[in-house]
Formats: sequence, C-alpha cells, structure tokens
Amino acid sequence: DGGITQSPKYLFRKEGQNVTLSCEQNLNHDAMYWYRQDPGQGLRLIYYSQIVNDFQKGDIAEGYSVSREKKESFPLTVTSAQKNPTAFYLCASSISATGNYGYTFGSGTRLTVV
Amino acid sequence: DQQVKQNSPSLSVQEGRISILNCDYTNSMFDYFLWYKKYPAEGPTFLISISSIKDKNEDGRFTVFLNKSAKHLSLHIVPSQPGDSAVYFCAASTGDGNKLVFGAGTILRVKS
Repeated sequence: DGGITQSPKYLFRKEGQNVTLSCEQNLNHDAMYWYRQDPGQGLRLIYYSQIVNDFQKGDIAEGYSVSREKKESFPLTVTSAQKNPTAFYLCASSISATGNYGYTFGSGTRLTVV
Repeated sequence: DQQVKQNSPSLSVQEGRISILNCDYTNSMFDYFLWYKKYPAEGPTFLISISSIKDKNEDGRFTVFLNKSAKHLSLHIVPSQPGDSAVYFCAASTGDGNKLVFGAGTILRVKS
C-alpha cells in the first residue's frame, strides 16, 4: 500500500532541545511539504521541497530546518530557536510541484514541549 | 493576512439533510481549489477539487460550487451522514510550486 508514514505519532521535547520528525513516502511523488496545525489557524506551510536536494522556506520557517537527501524522505527538525513548537505537524506529498495536484497527507505527529 | 477564510468554525446538521460549508478567498490568482476532510489525530484526506475554469464539480454526495466574481466557494453534502462528522478544510493554489493555502477549517457535526 502506497502512502506517507510519519513517526512518531506523539513526541515530547524538553525546552532547549532539538527534535526531528520523520516523514517517508513510497508514492514516488516529487514534491513534499511540512505543515503545522494550531487550533483555529488551519494549516500553515513550514517548508517544501520540489525535488531531491532542494527545498524552500514556507510561511513560518523560522526555528525549523529540513533536508531532502532522498526522494522518499523529508525529515523536519524543530530547533530550540522555535519559540512555540507545541503543535500538530503534518507532512504531505504531491506528484509534482508544477501544476495543480492534490496532496496526500501523513497521519501527523503531535509535538509537546514539557 | 488570511488568504483563505472559513468564517464558520462549526456547523451542526441533522442526518439526511444538506450540509453547506463555505469558504472565501482574497487572492485572485488562485486557480485551483480543494476540500479536505480530517478526523481527529489523523491527516487530512482529499475530498473534491475544482478548477477556476469550472463553476461546479460533483462527486457522489459531494458538490463544490465556485463563484469567481464573489471569490467564494462552497461544499454541499447531500444527504449528510453521521460519518461525515469531521473537520473540513478549504484550500487554494495558484499553481506556483503547488503550495496549498488552507483555511482554518469548519467542524461539521451530523446528528442522527
């Protein structure tokens, strides 16, 4: 079954620590995206990647970093510079970054700072 | 500045009746619109989409209407079923990098 796998489902982080969220897809999609969901604010774009070894900042990239060394993988690191990291994080992919295509989403990771 | 707005945080509908979810947008460059459905603790799933060259798209119980002059789209669900209870997100794209801009979502509750 093709899809997107996010892990872990729940993650707790101490203040001042970096933490990495995993996102893997076996859909052979070129483009991948990271969104953050906060109550009442919809989904906001953090970073996106149109192709391997290339990525661009989204609307709220400060305090986050990503890499795209393989087509299948797009991990997100939440650094200590992110002031309010507690949120629900969603990874998505699409066939292509050019043209209009819908996204396939993973099931999300809920990050809580303790 | 929210480019995609869903002004109704929640909607409650009786089973069998019509559910109408609304979405407004401000960016006239948007040319592709989508609706996603999301259950708690899960990722959104694609429901239906519409291109700006159309004003209506239908898929089973789901119909999306687009009014470009009013920068407004709506999702109609007929008949509504209890399993339709979820959060519905409206999203839009300019086709530039295929980056979707999402609304804040509307919680739909279908009562049996």
